[in-house]
Amino acid sequence: GESVGLHLPTLSVQEGDNSIINCAYSNSASDYFIWYKQESGKGPQFIIDIRSNMDKRQGQRVTVLLNKTVKHLSLQIAATQPGDSAVYFCAERGHSGYSTLTFGKGTMLLVSP
Amino acid sequence: ETGVTQSPTHLIKTRGQQVTLRCSSQSGHNTVSWYQQALGQGPQFIFQYYREEENGRGNFPPRFSGLQFPNYSSELNVNALELDDSALYLCASRAPGLAGVGDTQYFGPGTRLTVL
Repeated sequence: GESVGLHLPTLSVQEGDNSIINCAYSNSASDYFIWYKQESGKGPQFIIDIRSNMDKRQGQRVTVLLNKTVKHLSLQIAATQPGDSAVYFCAERGHSGYSTLTFGKGTMLLVSP
Repeated sequence: ETGVTQSPTHLIKTRGQQVTLRCSSQSGHNTVSWYQQALGQGPQFIFQYYREEENGRGNFPPRFSGLQFPNYSSELNVNALELDDSALYLCASRAPGLAGVGDTQYFGPGTRLTVL
């Protein structure tokens, strides 16, 4: 079936480093992708999104890259801070007419001071 | 924050019981989706409501049902609770174009349901 998956379950970095979280998706019909951050005991928090007609989108300290050729999505976090420690999910929306999101299992980002 | 609230925060039920979870969205967010998130997993889509009608459903049995009200609140009802229903239940509301790119969904904090 269609799925969204992440390559690394846990990523440990030092404060100030740049972090890259990767995601592979299999539904070539997906037209919209979102990265969410989820801290313990909280709901997913929107970080950044990108449509399938874009390759790159930048936000504050975050950049999302989309490579449709290899069905790969990445989230880059610049100057990672301890407050960035959380589980990060990529989610895709299939071109079904709904806004239904399919989530991957998540990557835990651990930032050491 | 997101403007999406959920109640209660935590809930403990026993197998076979019924439960109702509630969600309140921002004014104008006319689409609400419910997700189930098991421990250590990503959220799984249960169903979606648009203008008070269900217009999309994931792989969940009929004992999972919902309602959406004109005041942008909604409910998730689960009958005949099973142990595997223990999870974090999330609602997400959507206002098209809010993020300037697409149909961003904003999540509430969730309700932690434990079934004993």
